[in-house]
Amino acid sequence: NAGVTQTPKFQVLKTGQSMTLQCAQDMNHEYMSWYRQDPGMGLRLIHYSVGAGITDQGEVPNGYNVSRSTTEDFPLRLLSAAPSQTSVYFCASSYSSEQTQYFGPGTRLLVL
Amino acid sequence: DQQVKQNSPSLSVQEGRISILNCDYTNSMFDYFLWYKKYPAEGPTFLISISSIKDKNEDGRFTVFLNKSAKHLSLHIVPSQPGDSAVYFCAARRADSWGKLQFGAGTQVVVTP
Repeated sequence: NAGVTQTPKFQVLKTGQSMTLQCAQDMNHEYMSWYRQDPGMGLRLIHYSVGAGITDQGEVPNGYNVSRSTTEDFPLRLLSAAPSQTSVYFCASSYSSEQTQYFGPGTRLLVL
Repeated sequence: DQQVKQNSPSLSVQEGRISILNCDYTNSMFDYFLWYKKYPAEGPTFLISISSIKDKNEDGRFTVFLNKSAKHLSLHIVPSQPGDSAVYFCAARRADSWGKLQFGAGTQVVVTP
């Protein structure tokens, strides 16, 4: 098992550009989520999904879109990047929302 | 409004001694608490957890203590080893929203020889 994979590892964007952060897991986990990590803030939940076709907002959803068309993939879309979205993004998954979450290695995003 | 707080951004400890990491929370609805460990350029990995119905949970060198009345938990690492040098995050969740973890800001632990 590859576990939770994220691509790209690092990305530089200009303000206003769009991009998609990819997240995939091969553990047949139903629950997937996206967090961002900022200095002095810990990790904050952006969006989560309890299964294919079902998504919901977390603590800081503004500026981000998600969809879950398959169990394996949970992409995070930035429609119009802003410097405030400079952060490290982590995807996580688990068998269910009650189970321990496994995190991917992260994507470091810099918005200029 | 940060509901989970780790007030010590860093901790330095000698190899073989005890590391004590502290975490405070404000939301009395939290009923499950977790500690994650994170190395640079990697994602957090689960370390140990505790339910609010317990006051202690042990796993090898790691012990978590929960004081519900004080809304405080701590992680003890005994003995500390160089491989324990990492950032440790405290996290909490509510019974009615189990998937939504609230994280503290993290404590950087450095274990010196």
